[in-house]
Amino acid sequence: AQSVTQLGSHVSVSEGALVLLRCNYSSSVPPYLFWYVQYPNQGLQLLLKYTSAATLVKGINGFEAEFKKSETSFHLTKPSAHMSDAAEYFCAVSGGSGNTGKLIFGQGTTLQVKP
Amino acid sequence: EAQVTQNPRYLITVTGKKLTVTCSQNMNHEYMSWYRQDPGLGLRQIYYSMNVEVTDKGDVPEGYKVSRKEKRNFPLILESPSPNQTSLYFCASSSQRGSSYNEQFFGPGTRLTVL
Repeated sequence: AQSVTQLGSHVSVSEGALVLLRCNYSSSVPPYLFWYVQYPNQGLQLLLKYTSAATLVKGINGFEAEFKKSETSFHLTKPSAHMSDAAEYFCAVSGGSGNTGKLIFGQGTTLQVKP
Repeated sequence: EAQVTQNPRYLITVTGKKLTVTCSQNMNHEYMSWYRQDPGLGLRQIYYSMNVEVTDKGDVPEGYKVSRKEKRNFPLILESPSPNQTSLYFCASSSQRGSSYNEQFFGPGTRLTVL
């Protein structure tokens, strides 16, 4: 069965500092991996996705993530945090081609950005 | 504009009073899904539909019903709501083809309170 673990339910960084949000997954098939962001009172918006092409994936708003099969990780990073990055972030996994299309989500990480 | 819409956005109701939350997408997506979001649990899938007249249970289907009579619509029905169904609900859709495979687009959410 597939699963996702996000390490740290809350992460706090200073404006301009590196953002690192951790995600580890478990999957018995080659996974598709996603990072979504949820701003207050809004739905989820896709930040980036990994679908077995390049292992370093660049997304919107300066975020990127690296797929590391040996570590079963897909950590999200951004070199310099902005106040507008404060939101909740979700990592998700799906089973790739042939599966039911279901996404398994992690518990979410709330990012706080301090001035 | 490509989007997933949900109605209502906010709903307060009482135990046992049947309700329907509507979901509609204008992207001609085959796949649609309902999730509920609860603090510390991330998003959990309630039901999904691979196409018209094809629906199946997700991880937490108890107390919910769905139907898919048209490709664009996927209503969520609570026949007899209970307080443990108080939650934030999201509808999502995705294409099952091409480079957008499994990239789910989310509606704005429906915050339901059952008293």
